[in-house]
Amino acid sequence: DAGVIQSPRHEVTEMGQEVTLRCKPISGHDYLFWYRQTMMRGLELLIYFNNNVPIDDSGMPEDRFSAKMPNASFSTLKIQPSEPRDSAVYFCASRPGLVSHSETQYFGPGTRLLVL
Amino acid sequence: GDSVTQMEGPVTLSEEAFLTINCTYTATGYPSLFWYVQYPGEGLQLLLKATKADDKGSNKGFEATYRKETTSFHLEKGSVQVSDSAVYFCALYTGGFKTIFGAGTRLFVKA
Repeated sequence: DAGVIQSPRHEVTEMGQEVTLRCKPISGHDYLFWYRQTMMRGLELLIYFNNNVPIDDSGMPEDRFSAKMPNASFSTLKIQPSEPRDSAVYFCASRPGLVSHSETQYFGPGTRLLVL
Repeated sequence: GDSVTQMEGPVTLSEEAFLTINCTYTATGYPSLFWYVQYPGEGLQLLLKATKADDKGSNKGFEATYRKETTSFHLEKGSVQVSDSAVYFCALYTGGFKTIFGAGTRLFVKA
């Protein structure tokens, strides 16, 4: 398997623009997680899905952030409008379902976002 | 609530030195414990794990023992290499949907 795939790997945009980050989880994994990593705050869980359904979005910082998972192989994280403080590395991770008894999360390589 | 506390970094060592990164946890129930590693420019990846008390996880020369009596899961390696320079995250999972990660400890190994 190719692992978790994220695109783009790098994104530079201007304040006020819409940003869309994309993730393809590992095939067969039931859980998908979006994280944000910054030097100041470390690794933060933003939202996670189970079988394409959002379970907990309490980590989403503001209404400017939204996430969708239209099918088992694709998810997006959108920021509209973007602000400089959104600059961070955004990771997507996936995990097998509970029946597999595997608790390991598999991370993508991340999208490095810079908002000017 | 459940939480993980790990030693602050950065930790700077010379090659072949002994490494210890401390990790303690607070959890209800019986968590599984993990160490993840993040190399520069990459995502986190599992380094080792232990699922019950007294279990020892090991991988690539790293070891950690699940100590229920001290609620600890310290990471050790007998002889570090420059290639071990990375950020190390302690984490726990209690059977809910999500994994709780520590703040991460950055390790620098000098040649």
